[in-house]
Amino acid sequence: GDSVTQMEGPVTLSEEAFLTINCTYTATGYPSLFWYVQYPGEGLQLLLKATKADDKGSNKGFEATYRKETTSFHLEKGSVQVSDSAVYFCALRLTDSWGKFQFGAGTQVVVTP
Amino acid sequence: SQTIHQWPATLVQPVGSPLSLECTVEGTSNPNLYWYRQAAGRGLQLLFYSVGIGQISSEVPQNLSASRPQDRQFILSSKKLLLSDSGFYLCAWSPSPRNEQYFGPGTRLTVT
Repeated sequence: GDSVTQMEGPVTLSEEAFLTINCTYTATGYPSLFWYVQYPGEGLQLLLKATKADDKGSNKGFEATYRKETTSFHLEKGSVQVSDSAVYFCALRLTDSWGKFQFGAGTQVVVTP
Repeated sequence: SQTIHQWPATLVQPVGSPLSLECTVEGTSNPNLYWYRQAAGRGLQLLFYSVGIGQISSEVPQNLSASRPQDRQFILSSKKLLLSDSGFYLCAWSPSPRNEQYFGPGTRLTVT
């Protein structure tokens, strides 16, 4: 079945460092791909999305490119801040008619000053 | 603009007690609605989804049930809570199956 695999955390890095969170997927058809961010004690917020191959989603300095050939959607940010500390979820929208999502397990990112 | 509410924000309940969590969406009509559970340190598990009033689909057999009595209201219930029901419950909505999902603030449930 459809699934999302993302790198395990926690990922700990210093302020202004480069961040990469790997995400790969298995899916039938051509799913849309998403990154969500969850701050402590809160719900998930949509960070960015891509709906077709080679699309690049970007928001708040974060970027991710839909790579069909490698079935990947890696999240990157060039210079992280302490405020980027959160849990990041990669997700795909199943190609069924109900709009169900499949989420990865989440990757905790800790940015230290 | 659209807003999604969940209440209560936190809840502590004894084993065997009933449960009712509520989710409402404002500013839209006929949304797709979803209930997720997030166990500590883990990802999201889809519990139920609904594409219309009275239309509920369950993803996993468990001690919970869901109802949609009104277009923008989604309720998660249990008759008797188990310890394993503890977790962070998230409600989400989507304007259509082709759109992204938007999440509420969540309810932290602790079963003691």
